[in-house]
Amino acid sequence: SQQGEEDPQALSIQEGENATMNCSYKTSINNLQWYRQNSGRGLVHLILIRSNEREKHSGRLRVTLDTSKKSSSLLITASRAADTASYFCAPYSGNTPLVFGKGTRLSVIA
Amino acid sequence: NAGVTQTPKFRVLKTGQSMTLLCAQDMNHEYMYWYRQDPGMGLRLIHYSVGEGTTAKGEVPDGYNVSRLKKQNFLLGLESAAPSQTSVYFCASSFLAGVPHSYNEQFFGPGTRLTVL
Repeated sequence: SQQGEEDPQALSIQEGENATMNCSYKTSINNLQWYRQNSGRGLVHLILIRSNEREKHSGRLRVTLDTSKKSSSLLITASRAADTASYFCAPYSGNTPLVFGKGTRLSVIA
Repeated sequence: NAGVTQTPKFRVLKTGQSMTLLCAQDMNHEYMYWYRQDPGMGLRLIHYSVGEGTTAKGEVPDGYNVSRLKKQNFLLGLESAAPSQTSVYFCASSFLAGVPHSYNEQFFGPGTRLTVL
């Protein structure tokens, strides 16, 4: 198992702005997953990007993956107050449990 | 389809007491996991299971035991609770047999908030 490292640790933006958070990892992966955690709740799976994909969209979410740099980014467009949460990336190498870092705490101010 | 459920939602223990946390999933997943999360921290893996009757240690297994007697259930036991085990515990499950690992995603329960006095 390997842990992704999210950056920045905290991000504060105004409603309507875009939020970008980054993830770095160390070894080759099958896929990379992003999860959201609202305060006091369990993690919710947002999007999965496979190692042979470079970009993926889901609603207001856009994820990119650069396997040569071992990095990924999550872009949330037109953010809303309800997007306030912690966001975690999880690189997946196959047949092993996901390991989670400390995440990025996003605050969207109305 | 309830997904992943955890019982109980809250619990307060005294030091030295024992308890069992129950996780149940109805998605026919092969793998199940127990994590703990402390304030301002990410999730740390305690134990996991890749199938009925199997268990394996994660990052922080000391003080915990687990059992997976049925595919849909994963139990986490604290034999002698300590204040350091005060945390929020999350269960998760993943992996349908026959689905490639590259599509694997984890589904999480709502958590159990445990306080050890």
